Amino acid sequence: GQNIDQPTEMTATEGAIVQINCTYQTSGFNGLFWYQQHAGEAPTFLSYNVLDGLEEKGRFSSFLSRSKGYSYLLLKELQMKDSASYLCAVGRGGGYQKVTFGTGTKLQVIP
Amino acid sequence: GAVVSQHPSWVICKSGTSVKIECRSLDFQATTMFWYRQFPKQSLMLMATSNEGSKATYEQGVEKDKFLINHASLTLSTLTVTSAHPEDSSFYICSATDPGGGETQYFGPGTRLLVL
Repeated sequence: GQNIDQPTEMTATEGAIVQINCTYQTSGFNGLFWYQQHAGEAPTFLSYNVLDGLEEKGRFSSFLSRSKGYSYLLLKELQMKDSASYLCAVGRGGGYQKVTFGTGTKLQVIP
Repeated sequence: GAVVSQHPSWVICKSGTSVKIECRSLDFQATTMFWYRQFPKQSLMLMATSNEGSKATYEQGVEKDKFLINHASLTLSTLTVTSAHPEDSSFYICSATDPGGGETQYFGPGTRLLVL
């Protein structure tokens, strides 16, 4: 089966750093995605981790530990526009590149 | 690159009518497209996987006769909600994978369906 856990909501202050955690238990694992979704809009791709370790991309970094079934998304220098839901998703492969999404973490950035 | 479009963005229809939603990959050929549904405050739920030239693979619990999927070309997949009912009101989102981009799925802007 598939099980992806992430906190439902988080609040952080503008300019600060926030870490959004994701744990997963899935049958089949090809990699882990993070997507950002603003209210009423479709998700946009942020990062994809296949190997263990930290990948940095501007203000956003994503970490993966395959042995622990754990990932986190780190957002630095938070801006008000970062208020959105952040979806952790596991690529299951299997030929059709299926992805299972977590329920998302709604991040609110406050002044 | 990797732009996916959807049309229409908004649909309001009467119960019992059929609604067709188009998903296009604009700058790449997508051998595989995915259709998701998202209810308010919930995550994306995969409905089906669509491969060009073959029948779609539906997820458990999704009625294939109600949600007709046609992937006629490498840049176009359509989802038809047949005999729509109010409970079908949702946000329908397609995505596509760029063969040159690995497993990353690029999402269309979504179609919001309201069935009265």
